[in-house]
Amino acid sequence: QQQVKQSPQSLIVQKGGISIINCAYENTAFDYFPWYQQFPGKGPALLIAIRPDVSEKKEGRFTISFNKSAKQFSLHIMDSQPGDSATYFCAASLGGDYKLSFGAGTTVTVRA
Amino acid sequence: KAGVTQTPRYLIKTRGQQVTLSCSPISGHRSVSWYQQTPGQGLQFLFEYFSETQRNKGNFPGRFSGRQFSNSRSEMNVSTLELGDSALYLCASSTDRPNTGELFFGEGSRLTVL
Repeated sequence: QQQVKQSPQSLIVQKGGISIINCAYENTAFDYFPWYQQFPGKGPALLIAIRPDVSEKKEGRFTISFNKSAKQFSLHIMDSQPGDSATYFCAASLGGDYKLSFGAGTTVTVRA
Repeated sequence: KAGVTQTPRYLIKTRGQQVTLSCSPISGHRSVSWYQQTPGQGLQFLFEYFSETQRNKGNFPGRFSGRQFSNSRSEMNVSTLELGDSALYLCASSTDRPNTGELFFGEGSRLTVL
């Protein structure tokens, strides 16, 4: 079963707008929550990650918000650019192992 | 530093055949993981190898197997191919020192089973 649920499946945003992707997880033992970005024909690449001891992490235009009690986390892409058009995957793992449980992915299209 | 290299990039097989996919990790990375990516199931963990030992395994049938060599290069094998095995197979390498949790993915091997 899907241990990490991701929504929406796709979204379209205008250049300069904000993209928001949400994820929810079941396993409270998860302690590492990364977001990966994938362009067509390429493998996923780590975008940003958070651990549950912080509620927010920001790197440039990308911010993760984490709500431990609700078992939810989200990715905000500020000032979205056409180059951000890609598929974004949230994921979770536990104990520092490399067995990631991925969400189903969100395809983001940024219109110029 | 060269990235993760996967070969072949594309291949076509027929049902019942077997296939071997190869992965060369980033230099110095000793952990290699394999994932299957399909439109219906998304990204699913197959297995992870570290120092030639399988350290973790996903929920796939025994037809899916892998191994890692002393130089950290890895191969995965799928026997008795089924139509549903058509997918992008992604290899990822990671460093254990420090264990950052970050996976570095290759571009994948796209397998089509006819």
